Amino acid sequence: GEDVEQSLFLSVREGDSSVINCTYTDSSSTYLYWYKQEPGAGLQLLTYIFSNMDMKQDQRLTVLLNKKDKHLSLRIADTQTGDSAIYFCAEGSGNTGKLIFGQGTTLQVKP
Amino acid sequence: NAGVTQTPKFRILKIGQSMTLQCAQDMNHNYMYWYRQDPGMGLKLIYYSVGAGITDKGEVPNGYNVSRSTTEDFPLRLELAAPSQTSVYFCASSFTGGGAQETQYFGPGTRLLVL
Repeated sequence: GEDVEQSLFLSVREGDSSVINCTYTDSSSTYLYWYKQEPGAGLQLLTYIFSNMDMKQDQRLTVLLNKKDKHLSLRIADTQTGDSAIYFCAEGSGNTGKLIFGQGTTLQVKP
Repeated sequence: NAGVTQTPKFRILKIGQSMTLQCAQDMNHNYMYWYRQDPGMGLKLIYYSVGAGITDKGEVPNGYNVSRSTTEDFPLRLELAAPSQTSVYFCASSFTGGGAQETQYFGPGTRLLVL
């Protein structure tokens, strides 16, 4: 079945770059998403990438997609303490609207 | 726009009790979803709806029911609450089920504790 895997934890120092990785199994995914969840809050869309793209940049965020390896990454440049949160990748396909989420990566940013 | 709203924010239930988690959106979205998030886990889809009057099961529907009588509202019903239903429940909505408009907007969540 469809599955999305992420590493569970990443710790970086303020100002460094963070790279959060994700692998997925459904080759028919049309869009891949990154969501951010701050403590006690719902998920907030950060960015998404269409499956025929290799890269998308949005200010401090860079998304890389390797469709052959079914690997997605999110790079946050100049990571700030306010970036501390749980980051979820998700894949979507077809027209059902259903998303498959990974288990989330907790990003800890140390001052 | 208020976006996606959920009530209550937190609830404690006794085993065997029932309750309804409310969800509403004011973005005129056709698609609505209910997820549960267990500690250290990703979100699992419980039920979803592609429009008023149409609902379908997700990955973990057992123990839950939904209805969609209007575009705006998508309540989730728990009958005979069990400790395994202790979780954080998120409601989400999206305009369509395809393309970039698949983007789902989430409510703030309802924390449910079943004792």
